[in-house]
Amino acid sequence: DAGVTQSPTHLIKTRGQHVTLRCSPISGHKSVSWYQQVLGQGPQFIFQYYEKEERGRGNFPDRFSARQFPNYSSELNVNALLLGDSALYLCASSLNNRAMNTEAFFGQGTRLTVV
Amino acid sequence: DQQVKQNSPSLSVQEGRISILNCDYTNSMFDYFLWYKKYPAEGPTFLISISSIKDKNEDGRFTVFLNKSAKHLSLHIVPSQPGDSAVYFCAASDRTGANNLFFGTGTRLTVIP
Repeated sequence: DAGVTQSPTHLIKTRGQHVTLRCSPISGHKSVSWYQQVLGQGPQFIFQYYEKEERGRGNFPDRFSARQFPNYSSELNVNALLLGDSALYLCASSLNNRAMNTEAFFGQGTRLTVV
Repeated sequence: DQQVKQNSPSLSVQEGRISILNCDYTNSMFDYFLWYKKYPAEGPTFLISISSIKDKNEDGRFTVFLNKSAKHLSLHIVPSQPGDSAVYFCAASDRTGANNLFFGTGTRLTVIP
């Protein structure tokens, strides 16, 4: 059974560009969350989606947006990229909204480098 | 504002000895705590958790202790094995409110054979 899959694994973008990161949750999982991990720090919460609705948003600017599709996969979009957006972007899936904390499974992440 | 803190960025332990990783938190609303292990080029892997109604939870070689009055938790690994070498993240959540996890900055554990 496949785990959480993220694509692409690595990405290099130029300042000002736009990027789309993708996540496929574990089959049957309806909740997807996105985290940003910059070097030397722990992951920071960006968004949570459950049943295609936004259920939580972290302290990130409006340049960050996300959505969840009917098959529960998710996209994270970042507009007007800044050098400081360079980070590992992690997707986590869980069975349902309330189980997020106890049964969150993370993907391997997408390493975004902004130059 | 870092609500979950891991003040030791690194820890080295001899194989077979005990590893103790520490974590402090500031938000008294946190009621669930987790430890994740992360290898390079992989996402964090859930290790063990504890609810605020308990002060200890044990799973094999891993035990987590929670001291609510001190807002402190620790992860004990006994005996430590070389395969335990990884970055360990402490995370906390307020399950009655926001459903997201707050992570510490991580502690890199190196188990020396």
